[in-house]
Amino acid sequence: ELQLVESGGGLIQPGGSLRLSCAASGFTVSSNYMSWVRQAPGKGLEWVSVIYRGGSTYYADSVKGRFTISRDNSKNTLYLQMNSLRAEDTAVYYCARSALLDVWGQGTTVTVSS
Amino acid sequence: QSVLTQPPSASGTPGQRVTISCSGSSSNIGSNTVNWYQQLPGTAPKLLIYSDNQRPSGVPDRFSGSKSGTSASLAISGLQSEDEADYYCAAWDDSLNGPVFGGGTKLTVL
Repeated sequence: ELQLVESGGGLIQPGGSLRLSCAASGFTVSSNYMSWVRQAPGKGLEWVSVIYRGGSTYYADSVKGRFTISRDNSKNTLYLQMNSLRAEDTAVYYCARSALLDVWGQGTTVTVSS
Repeated sequence: QSVLTQPPSASGTPGQRVTISCSGSSSNIGSNTVNWYQQLPGTAPKLLIYSDNQRPSGVPDRFSGSKSGTSASLAISGLQSEDEADYYCAAWDDSLNGPVFGGGTKLTVL
């Protein structure tokens, strides 16, 4: 079964840092495009970042310079390092597989608040 | 404001056919295929239609997709109460090197 499981969310103060993890099973992370997508409370889906099979990375303008996407092939896990967090980063963060976004995790909630 | 434009809401009665539109530009829908996602309340999005008009295994043929130029549509025929959900269109954007989404359409089954 293809599965993604996110973890690492929580309550963090503005300016703080958090690292999200996305553990994959049933397929190989490094063989796929892997994305992070977020959804603010009551809002729509917003693409955050993608890592290509070859390792190239791209970011939405709203997080560029603050967030870093990476993967650990030995652990078959995707990461999102989030620095300088702002209130507007509050959202459920999902990881998703491939350019089709055909497999999604259940999401992990990040709340940025003092 | 989302890159792709969808109506915020749509509705229909059981058995009816409803369509949801999605408008983009040459850098996304105009040059890449469109995918549609269904998000039931409190759950993660689920891929509903990919490559403009293909259904993943397990998706009923009541759901269909089409595309023309820089616009796409999702059609749901034989509407059922369990179709009540949020629907999102998405397409890869060549200028962003990532996917862009519509703002979502909340479908209500009356």
